[in-house]
Amino acid sequence: GAVVSQHPSWVICKSGTSVKIECRSLDFQATTMFWYRQFPKQSLMLMATSNEGSKATYEQGVEKDKFLINHASLTLSTLTVTSAHPEDSSFDICSARDPGGLAGERETQYFGPGTRLLVL
Amino acid sequence: SQQGEEDPQALSIQEGENATMNCSYKTSINNLQWYRQNSGRGLVHLILIRSNEREKHSGRLRVTLDTSKKSSSLLITASRAADTASYFCATVVSGGYNKLIFGAGTRLAVHP
Repeated sequence: GAVVSQHPSWVICKSGTSVKIECRSLDFQATTMFWYRQFPKQSLMLMATSNEGSKATYEQGVEKDKFLINHASLTLSTLTVTSAHPEDSSFDICSARDPGGLAGERETQYFGPGTRLLVL
Repeated sequence: SQQGEEDPQALSIQEGENATMNCSYKTSINNLQWYRQNSGRGLVHLILIRSNEREKHSGRLRVTLDTSKKSSSLLITASRAADTASYFCATVVSGGYNKLIFGAGTRLAVHP
């Protein structure tokens, strides 16, 4: 099946610094990728939809200047958390949609293993 | 944003028992999906049910969908300790990029 990877799998950084997380689709081209954030014992919150070659679409309440998304190729999207603070410590997960999909509805999404972010 | 609620929030059962989790959502959907997440790990896709389907089976999993009540249930039969995880429903909202919106999740603990 389709595989999505994330790098790094975990990162520790100092407050005020920026952190970049990569999401790659390994064996398919993904015109659309999604970024989710998860806090302990909570559900996944969709932050933004990343579109290859165009600007990301952010969910209501998500600061686009703090969470910079770049989808420069059909297999790579990056999320940069700028000026990270301890409250940004989270588990960040990306997913990529396989255009081939199921039964033509193209709703199949494949999730990366997640990146654990700890801001000290 | 989140679609809705799942209940119960936490469920503790013995091995061999059945586990039922419920999910409610708010808007029109194309399909509804169930995922499992082991502690601190990524998501595993379990099953997808389309809006025109009422019931679907996959191994020990049985999913129902009631679009009139905007609700779904996931039944795990003959549970095992390895089923211990958090379970989330997610809906594909009609229109747009077919983005997935997750429910709050149910934490299932299966005791040997």
